[in-house]
Amino acid sequence: DIQMTQSPSSLSACVGDRVIITCRASQSISSYLNWYQQKAGKAPKLLIYASSTLQSGVPSRFSGSGSGTDFTLTITSLQPEDCATYYCQQSYSTPYTFGQGTKLEIK
Amino acid sequence: QVQLVQSGAEVKKPGASVKVSCKASGYTFTSNDINWVRQATGQGLEWMGWMNPNSGNTGYAQKFQGRVTMTGNTSISTAYMDLSSLTSEDTAVYYCARGATSGYTAFYYYMDVWGKGTTVTVSS
Repeated sequence: DIQMTQSPSSLSACVGDRVIITCRASQSISSYLNWYQQKAGKAPKLLIYASSTLQSGVPSRFSGSGSGTDFTLTITSLQPEDCATYYCQQSYSTPYTFGQGTKLEIK
Repeated sequence: QVQLVQSGAEVKKPGASVKVSCKASGYTFTSNDINWVRQATGQGLEWMGWMNPNSGNTGYAQKFQGRVTMTGNTSISTAYMDLSSLTSEDTAVYYCARGATSGYTAFYYYMDVWGKGTTVTVSS
């Protein structure tokens, strides 16, 4: 199975800050990398697929990049509603494994 | 609008089975896979497997092989996930999620629509 490792596990940032979350795969997964946002008590929501394609309706302050084994999710100008846990997930091969999550808090 | 509506919470005893349903609407049910993902309290997301409603083909994570069955009923646009031999470690929220693909030379796969989740509690 492909292991996905996110860092940091948690972070705290201020409104307006730029936040970067990283995700590393245990082997090359090309661009088969998705990002999801999960707010407390809610289902996950797709933010980005194929490493850098923004899902329809997702604010443009979210962006993704990377290929191979190293990926990043960037949130520019952090907003209060961005308080959530973020997960990366590889869809290169089954089982479609997730990272352990990054909990983002607003200071 | 496209949505997946899941069945209600379940409480089961150890050793029992549970069957969770996921009713699709707003799109052609047979056009997309249905995936199942679970999440124990305070834990991360765990992919369990997928089912293609058109072909009936399935793929399960090794961890659940022999214990999970994913099926669909196209006449009522509903997918099902059946998990047997339950233990307390199966206590979790179970989500169904629609699989989608994008791309021309490569087919990128992702889960674009999610149900709200079904809480399954296993307790004696």
